[in-house]
Amino acid sequence: AQKVTQAQTEISVVEKEDVTLDCVYETRDTTYYLFWYKQPPSGELVFLIRRNSFDEQNEISGRYSWNFQKSTSSFNFTITASQVVDSAVYFCALSEASLVTSYDKVIFGPGTSLSVIP
Amino acid sequence: DTAVSQTPKYLVTQMGNDKSIKCEQNLGHDTMYWYKQDSKKFLKIMFSYNNKELIINETVPNRFSPKSPDKAHLNLHINSLELGDSAVYFCASSQESASGGLHNEQFFGPGTRLTVL
Repeated sequence: AQKVTQAQTEISVVEKEDVTLDCVYETRDTTYYLFWYKQPPSGELVFLIRRNSFDEQNEISGRYSWNFQKSTSSFNFTITASQVVDSAVYFCALSEASLVTSYDKVIFGPGTSLSVIP
Repeated sequence: DTAVSQTPKYLVTQMGNDKSIKCEQNLGHDTMYWYKQDSKKFLKIMFSYNNKELIINETVPNRFSPKSPDKAHLNLHINSLELGDSAVYFCASSQESASGGLHNEQFFGPGTRLTVL
């Protein structure tokens, strides 16, 4: 069974602090995909990044960076110099082929609620 | 232009009623999904359609019936609503990859908050 764990339920940081959101996954497959989505207080879900299991290069996009380590089955997300607008629930997700069909199924982690205090 | 739209945004109804939520995407994607997000923000897939065919059907009560009249629409009908059905329901779409997988990013609608009294 696949599983995505986000051990941090809630995190509070003061503006301009760096914060890392942890994601640990379990999968039986060698080919899989990992995602991060953001859900701000307004409620919509916004895609942030996708990584495939063969690409372990870290990625940086502005203040956001992602650290993918297959050895520890982790795909952590760091926000540098956090801002109030970063306050949201962040979901890590895993996609692998379904056992029943040939199609992938995305499993979302429970989410980490980040509050950035001004 | 709204990429993935859902109607209604809010739905308040009595137990036992039947209701529908509509979803439309104008992204030209061939795969659409319904997710349920409970009060603890846990997000779980319910159904997925690819080119109007049902490809993922999670353990969902058969009171829930999705219908896809065409690639751009995926509606969700719920019969005999129960208190436990109260949640936010998200529609999403994605483009099937060249290899046939569904691992591309998903675009989500704004959600429909269903409250069953």
